[in-house]
Amino acid sequence: GNSVTQMEGPVTLSEEAFLTINCTYTATGYPSLFWYVQYPGEGLQLLLKATKADDKGSNKGFEATYRKETTSFHLEKGSVQVSDSAVYFCALSEGAGTALIFGKGTTLSVSS
Amino acid sequence: DAGITQSPRHKVTETGTPVTLRCHQTENHRYMYWYRQDPGHGLRLIHYSYGVKDTDKGEVSDGYSVSRSKTEDFLLTLESATSSQTSVYFCAISESSVWLNTEAFFGQGTRLTVV
Repeated sequence: GNSVTQMEGPVTLSEEAFLTINCTYTATGYPSLFWYVQYPGEGLQLLLKATKADDKGSNKGFEATYRKETTSFHLEKGSVQVSDSAVYFCALSEGAGTALIFGKGTTLSVSS
Repeated sequence: DAGITQSPRHKVTETGTPVTLRCHQTENHRYMYWYRQDPGHGLRLIHYSYGVKDTDKGEVSDGYSVSRSKTEDFLLTLESATSSQTSVYFCAISESSVWLNTEAFFGQGTRLTVV
C-alpha cells in the first residue's frame, strides 16, 4: 500500500543553519504530496504542497520539490529560526476521495 | 482559520466505558476525517466521511465507529475504551478530495486517556 517514510528525529539546529528533512514515498499511482507543520499544543497546518512531478512547493522560506524519479519530497530551508521549532509531517494523497497518509513526523528544535 | 471545533479537548475515562468525541465544522466541507496521533507512529487514519451517512474505514479502524448524520458533525465512538486507545485524536475537514489540490484543515485535537 501507499506509505511515507521520513527521516528520524529529533533534528537540532542553531539559528540560521540550513535545514533538510528527508521524505520518500511509496505509491501505486501519481500522488499529491504535502508538508504539514505542528506547533506545540496545536493541530496541523499545511506548510506547502505539490501535485505533480517537478512541481516545487514553497511557503515561509521552506521549499520542497516533487521528484518522481527518486520518489522523494525533501523539505529544505536556507536559514532556520527559533520560531520554526515544531514537528514536520510529510504526507501524500492518491486518488479522488482518498485521505492523507502521513509519515511519522520529524521534530525540529532550533536554538538561538 | 477554518471553523472546526473538537470536543471535549481533554478526557480521562475508565477501561470498558463508551466514549464519544465530536467534531463540528462551520465550513460546510464535504470531507471529514478522524486521525489518531501517537509517538513513533505519526498520524494514522481511523475513519473518514465523504458525505452525510457516507463513511469508510481507515488504517486503524478496529474498536472505533463513526457517524455523520449532518454535514457539520462527525462523531467518533469508542464502544468499549481500552488503554491502547489512549492517544491524541485529530479531526480534519476538506472541501473536496485533498488529492485535487484542496487543503485539509485540522482541529486542535482531543487528548484521551484511558485508565
